[in-house]
Amino acid sequence: KQEVTQIPAALSVPEGENLVLNCSFTDSAIYNLQWFRQDPGKGLTSLLLIQSSQREQTSGRLNASLDKSSGRSTLYIAASQPGDSATYLCAVNTGNQFYFGTGTSLTVIP
Amino acid sequence: EAQVTQNPRYLITVTGKKLTVTCSQNMNHEYMSWYRQDPGLGLRQIYYSMNVEVTDKGDVPEGYKVSRKEKRNFPLILESPSPNQTSLYFCASCKVSSGANVLTFGAGSRLTVL
Repeated sequence: KQEVTQIPAALSVPEGENLVLNCSFTDSAIYNLQWFRQDPGKGLTSLLLIQSSQREQTSGRLNASLDKSSGRSTLYIAASQPGDSATYLCAVNTGNQFYFGTGTSLTVIP
Repeated sequence: EAQVTQNPRYLITVTGKKLTVTCSQNMNHEYMSWYRQDPGLGLRQIYYSMNVEVTDKGDVPEGYKVSRKEKRNFPLILESPSPNQTSLYFCASCKVSSGANVLTFGAGSRLTVL
């Protein structure tokens, strides 16, 4: 069964810093990997999707990379802002099912 | 607006009283699924459906039922709710494609079983 781990569980940084969130998974047979953002009490919003054949995807200040062979993905956030404060989750798609990590809670301090 | 709609958003019920949480999407997505989110455990898949009349168990299906009679709707049924089903529930949908299937989530339904 696919296991997805996110480290660290929580992260606090001053505004303006660049930061990296990590996601690892145990089975490299995936279709894609998605990064989501979740605000307190809200649903999940998709940030980036990387297909299994891709190495990275970029959207604005966000860059996600995928190393399928080593079972790792990173989400890079440039020039962090207080509005980036949220929980970030990664999910791997094995075809029929999606497996989620427990998330990294990010606080950006003004 | 493209969206996944869940109802009710909040519900308090008692043990054993059957309830249904509805989920509807307007994006013509083939794939729909239900998750529960619990502190420290993350999101876990309850059931999923690849298309109409096709449903399958996820990782935590015990105590739940689903049906997919129409493409747009995927209700979650708790026949006899118990306190351990108190959780935050999410419905999600996506197209079935070769790998670019972005999951779209509903806003969530917070269920408390007393």
